[in-house]
Amino acid sequence: AQKITQTQPGMFVQEKEAVTLDCTYDTSDQSYGLFWYKQPSSGEMIFLIYQGSYDEQNATEGRYSLNFQKARKSANLVISASQLGDSAMYFCAMRKNTGNQFYFGTGTSLTVIP
Amino acid sequence: DTGVSQDPRHKITKRGQNVTFRCDPISEHNRLYWYRQTLGQGPEFLTYFQNEAQLEKSRLLSDRFSAERPKGSFSTLEIQRTEQGDSAMYLCASSFSQSVYEQYFGPGTRLTVT
Repeated sequence: AQKITQTQPGMFVQEKEAVTLDCTYDTSDQSYGLFWYKQPSSGEMIFLIYQGSYDEQNATEGRYSLNFQKARKSANLVISASQLGDSAMYFCAMRKNTGNQFYFGTGTSLTVIP
Repeated sequence: DTGVSQDPRHKITKRGQNVTFRCDPISEHNRLYWYRQTLGQGPEFLTYFQNEAQLEKSRLLSDRFSAERPKGSFSTLEIQRTEQGDSAMYLCASSFSQSVYEQYFGPGTRLTVT
């Protein structure tokens, strides 16, 4: 069974600072994708960034980067230059390339302090 | 195109009643997913359609749940004989089969069973 672990239920960061949200995963598959989603208080899930298991470079999308360490099975999200609008729940997810299910972690609540 | 839409946004029902939710995916997306999200948890996969075919269904989904996607366009999720444990946010997402990356989520339907 696939499992996603997010050990930080809540995080605080000062505006303009960087923050790292942790994610570890457990799978026996060799081919999979890792995702991060943002869920503001409005409830809609917003895709942020994707990392393929065979990608050698860490994924980056604007202020978001994914610190992928395959041997440690970790896929941490780094948000640089935090903004007040970054305050939200953040979910790590995994999808096996042989299937269609997405497996989500329990999320981390990020609060950006002015 | 305005993205994935779901209707209704909120539903309150009495235990034992049947409810039906609708999801309209992004028009060119042939993949459609249903998830359930309870408070403090990440989305939990329920079922997946490719066009009109229901290809995957969670083992956690009881027989009281049924989903359809006639003609490969909109989808409905029906819950029969609702129970208080069914209270949750029901999320729909869609994606294009040529993209291995993100799913696009709708705003969700919040179900409260009294």
